[in-house]
Amino acid sequence: RKEVEQDPGPFNVPEGATVAFNCTYSNSASQSFFWYRQDCRKEPKLLMSVYSSGNEDGRFTAQLNRASQYISLLIRDSKLSDSATYLCAVNLNDMRFGAGTRLTVKP
Amino acid sequence: SAVISQKPSRDICQRGTSLTIQCQVDSQVTMMFWYRQQPGQSLTLIATANQGSEATYESGFVIDKFPISRPNLTFSTLTVSNMSPEDSSIYLCSAVYTSPTSGSYEQYFGPGTRLTVT
Repeated sequence: RKEVEQDPGPFNVPEGATVAFNCTYSNSASQSFFWYRQDCRKEPKLLMSVYSSGNEDGRFTAQLNRASQYISLLIRDSKLSDSATYLCAVNLNDMRFGAGTRLTVKP
Repeated sequence: SAVISQKPSRDICQRGTSLTIQCQVDSQVTMMFWYRQQPGQSLTLIATANQGSEATYESGFVIDKFPISRPNLTFSTLTVSNMSPEDSSIYLCSAVYTSPTSGSYEQYFGPGTRLTVT
């Protein structure tokens, strides 16, 4: 079993849609959780940390479910500029990444 | 956020040769890592670059093939030795910072080095 697994995607959605990504992790001792965004031919950029209480940053909401060992990212009112690959990351002693889910937002 | 630079940004190398990639961060960090990313694939951790001691390698990566240096808290190098076409990939340096606002751990990446081995 992979340490971090994500929805395979790709997700193709119209502008304004709400899209959700899920990610599961195998090690229950994992300590911290993140979502990254990676544009084509660029490095991953930290989008947001994921806290146990859930957190929101504008149109983006991240949630953590420790009991079920998954994290989620919700994007509301999606924009064309949200098109990218979204990677979940889980940290124990070092960061492990999911394979990423590609999102394409279309006009 | 953090500023991490890498050089070279890209290179085309002949098989059998070696390439050293440099990574510079804008402030002292406790942890630095090296990752590899194949096109369309996710990130694979190569090793943790430890300051003042030997790097810690992940399964499938060895020091003879990927020697790493970390002479201080802001700089690291990764060498890809005796290259073959299978080493063609993007190599990314990464550093861990503690957020001054939240106190939480945040990990940032350099822009990557695109390596092609012919």
